[in-house]
Amino acid sequence: NAGVTQTPKFRILKIGQSMTLQCAQDMNHNYMYWYRQDPGMGLKLIYYSVGAGITDKGEVPNGYNVSRSTTEDFPLRLELAAPSQTSVYFCASSYLWSDTQYFGPGTRLTVL
Amino acid sequence: EDQVTQSPEALRLQEGESSSLNCSYTVSGLRGLFWYRQDPGKGPEFLFTLYSAGEEKEKERLKATLTKKESFLHITAPKPEDSATYLCAVQAKQGAQKLVFGQGTRLTINP
Repeated sequence: NAGVTQTPKFRILKIGQSMTLQCAQDMNHNYMYWYRQDPGMGLKLIYYSVGAGITDKGEVPNGYNVSRSTTEDFPLRLELAAPSQTSVYFCASSYLWSDTQYFGPGTRLTVL
Repeated sequence: EDQVTQSPEALRLQEGESSSLNCSYTVSGLRGLFWYRQDPGKGPEFLFTLYSAGEEKEKERLKATLTKKESFLHITAPKPEDSATYLCAVQAKQGAQKLVFGQGTRLTINP
């Protein structure tokens, strides 16, 4: 099993550009999550999904959108990128809400 | 509001010098407390889950313990490969049930 995979690993965007961060898992997990990690701060939940077709906002959803059309994939869309979205983004998955979350390797995004 | 505070922010030890990392938490009914290890440029890697006060779990040189207000990650005779950032997170029984993370402790073990 590859576990949780994320692409790209690094990306630089200009202010106002848009992009999609990809996340996929091959563990047949129901729950998937997107977090951002800023220096010296804990991970903050952006969006999560409890299954295909069902998503909900986390702590810091503004400026982001998600969709979940399959069990395996959970892309994160940034519209109109802003410098405040410079961060490292992690995708995670778990079988149940109460289970251990397994994380991907992250995407480092810089908005200039 | 659920909250997690980790201390110290950074800790530098000599190889073989044992110590402990602290995770203080406030949560409205704890379902679980999680410890993760994070290497530079990588995603968090799961270490332990603790569910109730008095519980202890061990893995190699690491032992995690839990009280009603805090958790400790004890590291015994550490090696340079134990250098990493250690993250603590809590999950409440009720409400949003999301993971609330602390800011992490950056541990450096010098040879």
